Amino acid sequence: DGGITQSPKYLFRKEGQNVTLSCEQNLNHDAMYWYRQDPGQGLRLIYYSQIVNDFQKGDIAEGYSVSREKKESFPLTVTSAQKNPTAFYLCASSRDRGDEQYFGPGTRLTVT
Amino acid sequence: GIQVEQSPPDLILQEGANSTLRCNFSDSVNNLQWFHQNPWGQLINLFYIPSGTKQNGRLSATTVATERYSLLYISSSQTTDSGVYFCAVPNAGNNRKLIWGLGTSLAVNP
Repeated sequence: DGGITQSPKYLFRKEGQNVTLSCEQNLNHDAMYWYRQDPGQGLRLIYYSQIVNDFQKGDIAEGYSVSREKKESFPLTVTSAQKNPTAFYLCASSRDRGDEQYFGPGTRLTVT
Repeated sequence: GIQVEQSPPDLILQEGANSTLRCNFSDSVNNLQWFHQNPWGQLINLFYIPSGTKQNGRLSATTVATERYSLLYISSSQTTDSGVYFCAVPNAGNNRKLIWGLGTSLAVNP
């Protein structure tokens, strides 16, 4: 089955710890994206990558980091510098920038 | 940059009713996506519709690019249609990132 997987579904961390969220796709898409969603809100772009070994900051990149070493993988690290990390994180991919985006099931991160 | 507005923000329907959701955008676009976010948070692609009309079962969408709006029609609504409906369009810049509306929250009561 082609698709996007995110793990884990739920993640709990203590304040001050870095945490890495996984995103894998087997759609052979070039572009991948990370979004953050807060309760009752729309989606905000954190980082995106148009091709392997290249990524760009989105609208709310502070406190986050990413890597794109493989086409199918785009992990997101939430660092201790992120002031309000508790949120729902969604990963997406598209064949090319601007094309139709497809989403993974999301990871709910809670930091206490 | 481009602005995307959705209306209404909230909608409550009785099962079996029909509804129309609207998405307005402030600049010309070359594509538009409609998504349904179910109560578990999963974003499901409904339509990729730069212009014209598409239908998928009880759902259909129409985009009038020249007038800068898109409509999503839900007919014979079911409780499983509940959730939030988003529209999104790519900006005109080089990165073509999606600009999102704030969504329409739909509750279908049995």
